[in-house]
Amino acid sequence: QKEVEQNSGPLSVPEGAIASLNCTYSDRVSQSFFWYRQYSGKSPELIMSIYSNGDKEDGRFTAQLNKASQYVSLLIRDSQPSDSATYLCAVNLDSGNTPLVFGKGTRLSVIA
Amino acid sequence: SQTIHQWPATLVQPVGSPLSLECTVEGTSNPNLYWYRQAAGRGLQLLFYSVGIGQISSEVPQNLSASRPQDRQFILSSKKLLLSDSGFYLCACPDYQGVSSGANVLTFGAGSRLTVL
Repeated sequence: QKEVEQNSGPLSVPEGAIASLNCTYSDRVSQSFFWYRQYSGKSPELIMSIYSNGDKEDGRFTAQLNKASQYVSLLIRDSQPSDSATYLCAVNLDSGNTPLVFGKGTRLSVIA
Repeated sequence: SQTIHQWPATLVQPVGSPLSLECTVEGTSNPNLYWYRQAAGRGLQLLFYSVGIGQISSEVPQNLSASRPQDRQFILSSKKLLLSDSGFYLCACPDYQGVSSGANVLTFGAGSRLTVL
């Protein structure tokens, strides 16, 4: 059974702080890793993807991957109230047709 | 990139009634298509996926069924709804980002919210 684990939260951070979201996965051969943001009542939208060990930065977002530890994280710098949402971690075994496996998500609340 | 249409957006149905949720995709051909469900307080659960017309794989035993009558149409159905079928149903399709990215990114439709009373 492939599993993706996330702390459900809520994670509360003040505006302007760094929010750190964490995810672990059980299948060591996983190849692709994604972070989705889901606002209440809306569908998930992709914000970051990462495939190699290390950091990947995109604006205020940084994804970090450590395959040896089976750990992927998302950092949000200068957090804004508009970042308040549920963040879903998703993992794929390969680059083909295998469906994504999602964690249950971490709810982030950025306090103004 | 493709566009995923889902309808209806919201549905309230009594227990025991039938269900039909529809998903259509524009901007791509022969896509893999997926139905996920998100129940209150729970994560995204894969229900069905399809790699082509008439080809359906079910991930979990349940009260639901899926069909793919056309290349870009994916339908989720039930003959008799249960209370536990309530949830947010999402249709999804890979949006291939190219060889350098190495993976298909999954994009979602706007979803259909089902409440069974």
